Amino acid sequence: AQTVTQSQPEMSVQEAETVTLSCTYDTSESDYYLFWYKQPPSRQMILVIRQEAYKQQNATENRFSVNFQKAAKSFSLKISDSQLGDAAMYFCAYIQGAQKLVFGQGTRLTINP
Amino acid sequence: DTGVSQDPRHKITKRGQNVTFRCDPISEHNRLYWYRQTLGQGPEFLTYFQNEAQLEKSRLLSDRFSAERPKGSFSTLEIQRTEQGDSAMYLCASSLGTSSLHEQYFGPGTRLTVT
Repeated sequence: AQTVTQSQPEMSVQEAETVTLSCTYDTSESDYYLFWYKQPPSRQMILVIRQEAYKQQNATENRFSVNFQKAAKSFSLKISDSQLGDAAMYFCAYIQGAQKLVFGQGTRLTINP
Repeated sequence: DTGVSQDPRHKITKRGQNVTFRCDPISEHNRLYWYRQTLGQGPEFLTYFQNEAQLEKSRLLSDRFSAERPKGSFSTLEIQRTEQGDSAMYLCASSLGTSSLHEQYFGPGTRLTVT
């Protein structure tokens, strides 16, 4: 069974600084997708960034980028120029085929002004 | 364009009562998913539909839980004889099955409290 592990329950960063959230996963599949979702307090989950496993190039979306290491089964999220609105729970998730998402336990990110 | 909607947003019920939640997916999405999220944890998969067919159910979905998606549009999740352990956020998501992106769009969730 696929598993996703986020080893940092909480992280904090100063506004305008850079922070990296860690994620590792376990799978025997070669074709899959990885996601980072953001869940602000009392608000719904939204997709931050997506990575296809067959692509070697790391995905980027504005201030958000990933470091995808397929052999190491590692998928970290880097947030540059942190803003107060980035404060949220961040979940790493795995999917193989158009099936269920498998989520990690989440990392609570605090932005210090 | 409306996103995924869920109703109700909050439900408080007494142990032993039945509850039903509704999810309306994005209109063109043929796949619909239910997840359960307890406090401080990531969502856990419960079940999913492609159109009206229920394709997979998690072992978390005990006999007290049933989900339907008549006509492949909205879905309902019913919990019979609720227990305190059922207290959680129930999330619905939808996706376009033909998309290669496999992105799931989430609703705001229904928070269930069983007293």
